[in-house]
Amino acid sequence: DAKTTQPTSMDCAEGRAANLPCNHSTISGNEYVYWYRQIHSQGPQYIIHGLKNNETNEMASLIITEDRKSSTLILPHATLRDTAVYYCIVTDDYKLSFGAGTTVTVRA
Amino acid sequence: DAEITQSPRHKITETGRQVTLACHQTWNHNNMFWYRQDLGHGLRLIHYSYGVQDTNKGEVSDGYSVSRSNTEDLPLTLESAASSQTSVYFCASSSHRGETQYFGPGTRLLVL
Repeated sequence: DAKTTQPTSMDCAEGRAANLPCNHSTISGNEYVYWYRQIHSQGPQYIIHGLKNNETNEMASLIITEDRKSSTLILPHATLRDTAVYYCIVTDDYKLSFGAGTTVTVRA
Repeated sequence: DAEITQSPRHKITETGRQVTLACHQTWNHNNMFWYRQDLGHGLRLIHYSYGVQDTNKGEVSDGYSVSRSNTEDLPLTLESAASSQTSVYFCASSSHRGETQYFGPGTRLLVL
């Protein structure tokens, strides 16, 4: 699996958009970009995934650059319940390889 | 509703004992996974299975074993528990397409 690079932590104001960057410069053509999050002490939760095109669901939007070497997860209106560790993962099979992720703290 | 459960949720055991952690899913998913998570680290893959009678080693499989006798269950066995296996264990499952893994609530294991 290709490796990803994410900032260690970031703060976000409640009600504002949170933009979480991820670099995956060695991604191969058939690898997807997945985002999961883990709220304290709980199991990870799937957020969104994509291959080439931008994706949006009820939780977030995923913007993938044209060269696919980086992506951004956007939480459009962050709430206090979005405080969590966010993991960016690239994979071409069923297995996930979790790095350290980004600790996102949403502040009132 | 379909779900994935783990039991026990908390377990204390002694070094050298055999311990089995249960994982049960009702989605009829082909793929099942076991991860461990240690303080300050991301999840690391222990074992996984892509179907009945199929098992594969992950990156930290030493000291652990799994068996898949049906679709719903993938029990994780620590053959001889060691203090280094004190951790939080998460089970997950995904469909044959593998797009989304659904995680259980975790089992906290303390080996004394």
